[in-house]
Amino acid sequence: NAGVTQTPKFQVLKTGQSMTLQCAQDMNHNSMYWYRQDPGMGLRLIYYSASEGTTDKGEVPNGYNVSRLNKREFSLRLESAAPSQTSVYFCASPNKDTQYFGPGTRLTVL
Amino acid sequence: GDSVTQMEGPVTLSEEAFLTINCTYTATGYPSLFWYVQYPGEGLQLLLKATKADDKGSNKGFEATYRKETTSFHLEKGSVQVSDSAVYFCALSDRGYSTLTFGKGTMLLVSP
Repeated sequence: NAGVTQTPKFQVLKTGQSMTLQCAQDMNHNSMYWYRQDPGMGLRLIYYSASEGTTDKGEVPNGYNVSRLNKREFSLRLESAAPSQTSVYFCASPNKDTQYFGPGTRLTVL
Repeated sequence: GDSVTQMEGPVTLSEEAFLTINCTYTATGYPSLFWYVQYPGEGLQLLLKATKADDKGSNKGFEATYRKETTSFHLEKGSVQVSDSAVYFCALSDRGYSTLTFGKGTMLLVSP
């Protein structure tokens, strides 16, 4: 039981490049979330999916798109990366009153 | 809207010292309150929680009491260890447990 897994762990992009961050959970949870973590800002919600086939915007959705591929997988796409998107990205999946977080993807946009 | 305010860090302590990390919140309803911990290079893990006023959450020697009258949820530990060095996040949820509002985090550094 791996919990929540994320790939890649690290990524460096040039401004304007695109990429997809992958997240998978093996806990059979309905909901999945994407957060970004920036120094001094805590965690901010980008997008979430309450159930398979649904997605909703969070606090900071601009510049991102998401896909809930199936119950296990929830991907985050940057179509045209910008330096302001340099951050650590966490995927999470809640069950009852606990959020289970992945190990994070550290993204740098040059 | 909802918000969580934590004391700024880093908090630097010697091993076996007493720890307090302050957390206050603003919420429209009656939120559940949480402390999450992030060890270096890892994701966040739930440390403890409290769901109603006067509840005390506890885990691994850490405690926090839900104080509705002061809208606070301060984290305490009687004797910290080097292994407690991490970033601690206070969070609340008042729209079901799935949606959390986080504080900015407080880094704790414990030296031998």
